Amino acid sequence: AQSVTQPDIHITVSEGASLELRCNYSYGATPYLFWYVQSPGQGLQLLLKYFSGDTLVQGIKGFEAEFKRSQSSFNLRKPSVHWSDAAEYFCAVGGYQKVTFGIGTKLQVIP
Amino acid sequence: GAGVSQSPSNKVTEKGKDVELRCDPISGHTALYWYRQSLGQGLEFLIYFQGNSAPDKSGLPSDRFSAERTGGSVSTLTIQRTQQEDSAVYLCASSFLGGVGTDTQYFGPGTRLTVL
Repeated sequence: AQSVTQPDIHITVSEGASLELRCNYSYGATPYLFWYVQSPGQGLQLLLKYFSGDTLVQGIKGFEAEFKRSQSSFNLRKPSVHWSDAAEYFCAVGGYQKVTFGIGTKLQVIP
Repeated sequence: GAGVSQSPSNKVTEKGKDVELRCDPISGHTALYWYRQSLGQGLEFLIYFQGNSAPDKSGLPSDRFSAERTGGSVSTLTIQRTQQEDSAVYLCASSFLGGVGTDTQYFGPGTRLTVL
Protein backbone atom coordinates (compact mmCIF):
# COMPACT_ATOMS: atom_id res chain seq x y z
CA ALA A 1 0.00 0.00 0.00
CA GLN A 2 1.22 3.50 -0.73
CA SER A 3 1.47 6.12 1.96
CA VAL A 4 2.91 9.55 2.64
CA THR A 5 4.29 10.92 5.88
CA GLN A 6 4.76 14.60 6.53
CA PRO A 7 6.30 14.58 10.00
CA ASP A 8 5.98 18.29 10.65
CA ILE A 9 2.43 19.50 11.10
CA HIS A 10 3.43 23.09 11.72
CA ILE A 11 6.64 25.00 10.94
CA THR A 12 7.54 28.61 11.66
CA VAL A 13 10.35 30.37 9.83
CA SER A 14 11.53 33.94 9.62
CA GLU A 15 11.12 35.82 6.38
CA GLY A 16 14.30 35.46 4.35
CA ALA A 17 15.33 32.24 6.03
CA SER A 18 15.67 28.96 4.20
CA LEU A 19 12.96 26.33 4.31
CA GLU A 20 12.83 22.57 4.11
CA LEU A 21 9.60 20.62 4.40
CA ARG A 22 9.96 16.89 4.85
CA CYS A 23 8.10 14.19 3.01
CA ASN A 24 8.61 10.44 3.18
CA TYR A 25 6.69 8.01 1.04
CA SER A 26 6.06 4.32 0.76
CA TYR A 27 5.50 2.82 -2.68
CA GLY A 28 6.54 -0.41 -4.31
CA ALA A 29 7.75 0.95 -7.61
CA THR A 30 8.94 4.24 -8.98
CA PRO A 31 6.38 6.72 -7.76
CA TYR A 32 5.00 9.94 -9.10
CA LEU A 33 5.65 12.56 -6.43
CA PHE A 34 3.92 15.88 -6.05
CA TRP A 35 4.01 18.95 -3.86
CA TYR A 36 0.89 21.09 -3.71
CA VAL A 37 0.32 24.35 -1.85
CA GLN A 38 -2.96 25.54 -0.39
CA SER A 39 -3.26 29.21 0.50
CA PRO A 40 -6.01 30.23 2.93
CA GLY A 41 -9.43 29.87 1.33
CA GLN A 42 -7.97 28.48 -1.88
CA GLY A 43 -7.78 25.13 -3.55
CA LEU A 44 -4.54 23.24 -3.92
CA GLN A 45 -2.05 24.36 -6.56
CA LEU A 46 0.74 22.22 -7.95
CA LEU A 47 4.22 23.43 -7.02
CA LEU A 48 6.19 20.67 -8.69
CA LYS A 49 6.11 17.07 -9.77
CA TYR A 50 8.61 14.26 -10.22
CA PHE A 51 8.55 10.97 -12.05
CA SER A 52 11.86 10.39 -13.69
CA GLY A 53 15.00 12.13 -14.80
CA ASP A 54 16.90 14.64 -12.76
CA THR A 55 16.22 14.01 -9.09
CA LEU A 56 16.28 17.73 -8.34
CA VAL A 57 13.04 19.25 -9.55
CA GLN A 58 12.38 22.93 -9.96
CA GLY A 59 8.93 24.27 -9.38
CA ILE A 60 7.02 27.50 -9.31
CA LYS A 61 7.53 30.32 -6.82
CA GLY A 62 11.21 29.44 -6.35
CA PHE A 63 10.60 26.03 -4.80
CA GLU A 64 12.58 22.89 -5.52
CA ALA A 65 12.43 19.31 -4.30
CA GLU A 66 14.90 16.47 -4.32
CA PHE A 67 13.96 12.84 -4.81
CA LYS A 68 16.12 10.47 -2.77
CA ARG A 69 15.20 6.89 -3.50
CA SER A 70 17.47 5.48 -0.81
CA GLN A 71 15.69 7.54 1.83
CA SER A 72 12.20 7.34 0.28
CA SER A 73 12.07 11.09 0.61
CA PHE A 74 10.96 14.02 -1.49
CA ASN A 75 11.72 17.10 0.59
CA LEU A 76 10.66 20.55 -0.51
CA ARG A 77 13.08 23.45 -0.21
CA LYS A 78 13.26 27.16 -0.75
CA PRO A 79 16.42 29.22 -0.14
CA SER A 80 14.65 32.38 1.05
CA VAL A 81 11.08 32.41 2.29
CA HIS A 82 8.71 35.28 1.58
CA TRP A 83 5.73 36.25 3.73
CA SER A 84 3.44 35.20 0.88
CA ASP A 85 4.68 31.62 1.23
CA ALA A 86 2.62 31.21 4.38
CA ALA A 87 0.26 28.38 3.46
CA GLU A 88 -0.29 24.67 3.89
CA TYR A 89 1.87 22.31 1.87
CA PHE A 90 0.86 18.82 0.84
CA CYS A 91 3.09 16.07 -0.42
CA ALA A 92 1.47 13.33 -2.51
CA VAL A 93 2.54 10.02 -3.97
CA GLY A 94 0.90 8.62 -7.07
CA GLY A 95 0.90 5.31 -8.77
CA TYR A 96 -1.39 3.24 -10.89
CA GLN A 97 -4.96 4.29 -10.21
CA LYS A 98 -4.33 6.05 -6.94
CA VAL A 99 -2.85 9.17 -5.41
CA THR A 100 -2.33 9.55 -1.69
CA PHE A 101 -1.87 12.89 0.04
CA GLY A 102 -0.06 13.60 3.27
CA ILE A 103 -1.78 15.42 6.09
CA GLY A 104 -0.04 18.65 5.24
CA THR A 105 2.49 21.00 6.84
CA LYS A 106 1.30 24.44 7.80
CA LEU A 107 3.96 27.08 7.26
CA GLN A 108 3.96 30.28 9.28
CA VAL A 109 6.30 33.11 8.24
CA ILE A 110 7.27 35.69 10.80
CA PRO A 111 8.85 39.08 10.06
CA GLY B 1 -13.73 28.36 -17.69
CA ALA B 2 -10.35 29.39 -16.44
CA GLY B 3 -10.32 27.01 -13.51
CA VAL B 4 -12.32 24.54 -11.50
CA SER B 5 -15.31 26.16 -9.85
CA GLN B 6 -17.39 24.89 -6.97
CA SER B 7 -20.67 26.00 -5.49
CA PRO B 8 -21.74 26.93 -2.98
CA SER B 9 -18.59 28.18 -1.31
CA ASN B 10 -20.20 27.70 2.09
CA LYS B 11 -23.12 25.57 3.16
CA VAL B 12 -24.66 25.39 6.60
CA THR B 13 -27.28 22.73 7.12
CA GLU B 14 -29.10 20.97 9.89
CA LYS B 15 -28.40 17.40 10.85
CA GLY B 16 -30.55 15.02 8.83
CA LYS B 17 -30.95 17.26 5.80
CA ASP B 18 -29.65 16.42 2.34
CA VAL B 19 -27.09 18.62 0.59
CA GLU B 20 -25.82 18.90 -2.97
CA LEU B 21 -22.40 20.24 -3.84
CA ARG B 22 -21.54 21.19 -7.39
CA CYS B 23 -18.30 21.11 -9.34
CA ASP B 24 -17.55 22.56 -12.76
CA PRO B 25 -14.25 21.16 -14.03
CA ILE B 26 -11.88 22.77 -16.48
CA SER B 27 -13.22 22.45 -20.00
CA GLY B 28 -11.65 19.51 -21.81
CA HIS B 29 -10.52 17.70 -18.70
CA THR B 30 -11.60 14.08 -18.81
CA ALA B 31 -11.14 13.20 -15.15
CA LEU B 32 -12.86 14.59 -12.09
CA TYR B 33 -12.15 13.88 -8.43
CA TRP B 34 -13.85 14.62 -5.13
CA TYR B 35 -11.95 14.86 -1.85
CA ARG B 36 -12.89 15.64 1.71
CA GLN B 37 -10.57 17.77 3.81
CA SER B 38 -11.16 17.62 7.53
CA LEU B 39 -9.16 19.52 10.12
CA GLY B 40 -5.89 17.73 10.70
CA GLN B 41 -6.84 14.87 8.39
CA GLY B 42 -5.35 15.83 5.07
CA LEU B 43 -7.19 15.00 1.87
CA GLU B 44 -9.45 11.99 1.86
CA PHE B 45 -10.25 10.61 -1.58
CA LEU B 46 -13.97 10.12 -2.16
CA ILE B 47 -14.70 9.36 -5.80
CA TYR B 48 -13.15 9.57 -9.27
CA PHE B 49 -14.75 9.88 -12.70
CA GLN B 50 -12.83 9.17 -15.90
CA GLY B 51 -14.59 9.83 -19.15
CA ASN B 52 -17.58 7.55 -19.61
CA SER B 53 -16.19 4.78 -17.41
CA ALA B 54 -17.92 3.67 -14.26
CA PRO B 55 -16.71 5.85 -11.39
CA ASP B 56 -14.32 4.63 -8.74
CA LYS B 57 -16.43 4.94 -5.60
CA SER B 58 -13.99 3.19 -3.32
CA GLY B 59 -13.46 6.22 -1.11
CA LEU B 60 -17.06 7.05 -0.31
CA PRO B 61 -17.40 6.73 3.48
CA SER B 62 -20.99 5.50 3.54
CA ASP B 63 -24.02 4.92 1.35
CA ARG B 64 -25.27 8.36 2.32
CA PHE B 65 -22.70 9.74 -0.12
CA SER B 66 -23.22 9.63 -3.86
CA ALA B 67 -21.99 11.52 -6.89
CA GLU B 68 -22.82 11.83 -10.52
CA ARG B 69 -21.26 13.47 -13.49
CA THR B 70 -23.55 14.58 -16.26
CA GLY B 71 -22.41 14.78 -19.85
CA GLY B 72 -18.84 14.18 -18.84
CA SER B 73 -18.63 17.64 -17.34
CA VAL B 74 -20.42 19.00 -14.26
CA SER B 75 -20.50 16.83 -11.17
CA THR B 76 -22.73 16.84 -8.13
CA LEU B 77 -21.82 15.30 -4.79
CA THR B 78 -24.88 14.49 -2.70
CA ILE B 79 -24.84 13.77 1.00
CA GLN B 80 -28.09 12.42 2.38
CA ARG B 81 -29.18 12.65 6.01
CA THR B 82 -26.15 14.73 6.93
CA GLN B 83 -24.36 14.08 10.20
CA GLN B 84 -22.14 16.40 12.19
CA GLU B 85 -19.08 14.34 11.25
CA ASP B 86 -19.74 15.26 7.61
CA SER B 87 -18.63 18.81 8.38
CA ALA B 88 -15.53 19.44 6.28
CA VAL B 89 -14.28 21.17 3.18
CA TYR B 90 -15.18 19.25 0.05
CA LEU B 91 -12.68 19.76 -2.76
CA CYS B 92 -13.17 18.97 -6.41
CA ALA B 93 -10.32 18.56 -8.87
CA SER B 94 -10.00 17.78 -12.55
CA SER B 95 -7.20 16.58 -14.76
CA PHE B 96 -6.65 16.39 -18.48
CA LEU B 97 -5.70 12.81 -19.09
CA GLY B 98 -7.20 11.00 -16.14
CA GLY B 99 -4.21 9.17 -14.79
CA VAL B 100 -5.36 9.35 -11.22
CA GLY B 101 -1.96 8.62 -9.77
CA THR B 102 0.10 10.44 -12.34
CA ASP B 103 -1.71 13.50 -13.63
CA THR B 104 -1.51 16.98 -12.25
CA GLN B 105 -4.82 17.75 -10.63
CA TYR B 106 -6.35 21.21 -10.72
CA PHE B 107 -8.36 21.98 -7.63
CA GLY B 108 -11.35 24.17 -7.03
CA PRO B 109 -11.60 26.43 -3.97
CA GLY B 110 -13.82 23.97 -2.15
CA THR B 111 -17.18 23.99 -0.42
CA ARG B 112 -17.12 24.36 3.34
CA LEU B 113 -19.95 22.28 4.78
CA THR B 114 -21.10 22.80 8.33
CA VAL B 115 -23.67 20.46 9.80
CA LEU B 116 -25.34 21.81 12.92
